[in-house]
Amino acid sequence: GAVVSQHPSRVICKSGTSVKIECRSLDFQATTMFWYRQFPKQSLMLMATSNEGSKATYEQGVEKDKFLINHASLTLSTLTVTSAHPEDSSFYICSARGPQGAPSEQYFGPGTRLTVT
Amino acid sequence: AQSVTQLDSQVPVFEEAPVELRCNYSSSVSVYLFWYVQYPNQGLQLLLKYLSGSTLVESINGFEAEFNKSQTSFHLRKPSVHISDTAEYFCAVSRASGGSYIPTFGRGTSLIVHP
Repeated sequence: GAVVSQHPSRVICKSGTSVKIECRSLDFQATTMFWYRQFPKQSLMLMATSNEGSKATYEQGVEKDKFLINHASLTLSTLTVTSAHPEDSSFYICSARGPQGAPSEQYFGPGTRLTVT
Repeated sequence: AQSVTQLDSQVPVFEEAPVELRCNYSSSVSVYLFWYVQYPNQGLQLLLKYLSGSTLVESINGFEAEFNKSQTSFHLRKPSVHISDTAEYFCAVSRASGGSYIPTFGRGTSLIVHP
């Protein structure tokens, strides 16, 4: 199956700093990538959808100026958490969809654990 | 819009016993249905999916799920669980057409297999 990687897997940062998380599709071109946030013992909350070369579409309640998403190529999307605060601590998961766009073609990354101190 | 209800937040079971994780959905249009498994500190892995055709779908590791349109359910079953099946299981639903296929996830069910 298709592989999606995320880097870093874990990051600890100080409050007020910015953190960038990378999501890569390793063996396929991802026309669409998704960013999710998961709180402990809870489901995934979709934050935004990004298509290569265009601006991301953010879900209601997600601050686009705080969570900057860039989908610069068909294999890379980045999520930057700006001016991080402890409440931003969470598990961030990306997923990527192949060029066919079929629902069965959504592949998830392993996640990034962000801790803001 | 569609929604997913996973009725049990936690299901404890002994090894080699059968298990059923329940999932019900609501939608005004045709849907695709998925089960994902998440091991601790990892991302989601697709376990099985229903897109069309046979309503009973199976995974390679012994899980199966049956799409029941009249009951709007997609329960996950395994006749004999292993310790290694301990994980979080998420049911998801997406539109079958006319949309972006973005899945809506249930809250998850924690399967805990005891020796």
